Amino acid sequence: GAGVSQSPSNKVTEKGKDVELRCDPISGHTALYWYRQSLGQGLEFLIYFQGNSAPDKSGLPSDRFSAERTGGSVSTLTIQRTQQEDSAVYLCASSLYRGDEAFFGQGTRLTVV
Amino acid sequence: AQSVTQLDSHVSVSEGTPVLLRCNYSSSYSPSLFWYVQHPNKGLQLLLKYTSAATLVKGINGFEAEFKKSETSFHLTKPSAHMSDAAEYFCVVSHWNSNSGYALNFGKGTSLLVTP
Repeated sequence: GAGVSQSPSNKVTEKGKDVELRCDPISGHTALYWYRQSLGQGLEFLIYFQGNSAPDKSGLPSDRFSAERTGGSVSTLTIQRTQQEDSAVYLCASSLYRGDEAFFGQGTRLTVV
Repeated sequence: AQSVTQLDSHVSVSEGTPVLLRCNYSSSYSPSLFWYVQHPNKGLQLLLKYTSAATLVKGINGFEAEFKKSETSFHLTKPSAHMSDAAEYFCVVSHWNSNSGYALNFGKGTSLLVTP
């Protein structure tokens, strides 16, 4: 595709529900990142995928957060039993390889009420 | 440890005056450095990148940055600010980590306000 695509653009969910956020990276990009941006804060690294290698999950804040990347392309970030502190913008990015310039999607704004 | 420090959380300039957004980094290896811009309710867009070629890097929208190894700095400048430059700016360093390979470290961001 022309750029990184994320869906939905906005999501409002009730506390305790599970949510899935989707990221469709640029075709051919082997590296995919998820970041979280809370109001007034910088970017918080969550997880990184590189090809078929085991993902770098070092940034996931709790075991309620998980992500997968199917077929080396589309990625889904899942948050189980959402809490109000999960409210943030979740950004996905892809790059040809890790360490190269990353191209970002528009983000998913998650609001937990 | 590798890190990025953006020295100002907020910068305010008048339209038509120069812009300077400061960034210092620490890295044990030769890093790649980037500046990204984020307009309100938008994703991040790459302004420019340094990858060990010319130390003065020109980017989009009239921005440029100079890599100064002796000062471990990568400050972003623009000769004349435009109202449309008002946004959040992030300095990013790509560095090698022996545990996980390359990683991107983001600064905390500088909010640029441009006044008429």
